[in-house]
Amino acid sequence: QKEVEQDPGPLSVPEGAIVSLNCTYSNSAFQYFMWYRQYSRKGPELLMYTYSSGNKEDGRFTAQVDKSSKYISLFIRDSQPSDSATYLCAILSENYGGSQGNLIFGKGTKLSVKP
Amino acid sequence: EPEVTQTPSHQVTQMGQEVILRCVPISNHLYFYWYRQILGQKVEFLVSFYNNEISEKSEIFDDQFSVERPDGSNFTLKIRSTKLEDSAMYFCASSTLFYEQYFGPGTRLTVT
Repeated sequence: QKEVEQDPGPLSVPEGAIVSLNCTYSNSAFQYFMWYRQYSRKGPELLMYTYSSGNKEDGRFTAQVDKSSKYISLFIRDSQPSDSATYLCAILSENYGGSQGNLIFGKGTKLSVKP
Repeated sequence: EPEVTQTPSHQVTQMGQEVILRCVPISNHLYFYWYRQILGQKVEFLVSFYNNEISEKSEIFDDQFSVERPDGSNFTLKIRSTKLEDSAMYFCASSTLFYEQYFGPGTRLTVT
């Protein structure tokens, strides 16, 4: 079973739409959940992270984690053409008793916001 | 805003040659990482480095790979004898808090 699953899309929405991006994961021990944005041929850019379950909001972006169903989501309100990018979910695989960790990425969802 | 930088942006090498990819992490960061992304595939973890030693490595990171922090600012990834399947984007990342990893722009490695 793959550790992090993400629908690669592509997803195309009109400007102003609410976008919902989702991932599922397999290991219930994971505690840190990240969303990165990646423009073509660029490095992943950290958008936000969430610890454990719950919601976190940052401007037009809301990250949500449901640990009971092992489901993480990123919502983008009032989407803009500049939001067009690939969105990667990532989960931190902790080691050394939770003092360090490496990221396990989903495949990324390619989002296109049309003006 | 401080950022991770990587050089070169693109490296072309012949199979069997050694390559060194260079990174300058964000200055007050303590944890350093290399990841790679083969075209069309997921970003994959290679190695993490803390307190001047490797703290974790993936099964991809075999004896052909090595990392070094030769001075207080640079962090390098060496591939001793490149193979065609090493062609990928290589990303360096750094963090001060281990869960907030910031990535560089990447080095595209093409092995011919």
